[in-house]
Amino acid sequence: QVHLVESGGGVVQPGRSLRLSCSGSGFSFSSYEFHWVRQAPGKGLEWVALVAYDGINNEYADSVKGRFSVSRDNSNNAFYLQMNSLRTDDSAVYYCARGGFGGSGSHFDYWGPGTLVSVFS
Amino acid sequence: DIQMTQSPSTLSASVGDRVTITCRASQNINRWLAWYQQKPGQAPKVLIYKAAVLQSGVPSRFSGSGSGTEFTLNISSLQPDDFATYYCQHCNSFSRMFTFGQGTKLDIK
Repeated sequence: QVHLVESGGGVVQPGRSLRLSCSGSGFSFSSYEFHWVRQAPGKGLEWVALVAYDGINNEYADSVKGRFSVSRDNSNNAFYLQMNSLRTDDSAVYYCARGGFGGSGSHFDYWGPGTLVSVFS
Repeated sequence: DIQMTQSPSTLSASVGDRVTITCRASQNINRWLAWYQQKPGQAPKVLIYKAAVLQSGVPSRFSGSGSGTEFTLNISSLQPDDFATYYCQHCNSFSRMFTFGQGTKLDIK
């Protein structure tokens, strides 16, 4: 049974950093790419970043490029979202999601329950 | 960047109705489109991918169609569990960037 769960959310001041983690189980973790998707309160879904299956060819939404970075640790079945220079408009529920097998995915088939990040002074 | 526009933004319907939600892309995206359902306080759930492929476990009353720039999600006979917000999503296979539509809230008439 595929399972994803996020951790690391919380309250942080503008300009500070936060690192989110996502742990996966129930599937061959190293063969998949993953994503971070966020949802501001009362708003729609916004794709944030792609964690490539090779850990190298990652991609970012323009709104976070240069501030956020992703990484993965296949030995621990985990991937991460490092968020620097946080702004109030980064406040959202952050979801981790599974993408395609072997770097060719077009959609997100499993999601974690989400973790809330609140940025305010 | 490719923009995804859903219509309508809100839709009121009754149990048993057939409903259609439309998603338009700002340029040709072939069939690279997925549909999600999200209920309050829950993570989204994929319903359809590659425009028309039903995700395993999703009821057959959901169907998707379209290609190029115009796509539709159809629910053939609304059930109480279907009242939720629906999102379309595109993957640009060249840039590997992903885009969601703004969402369509389906509520009870």
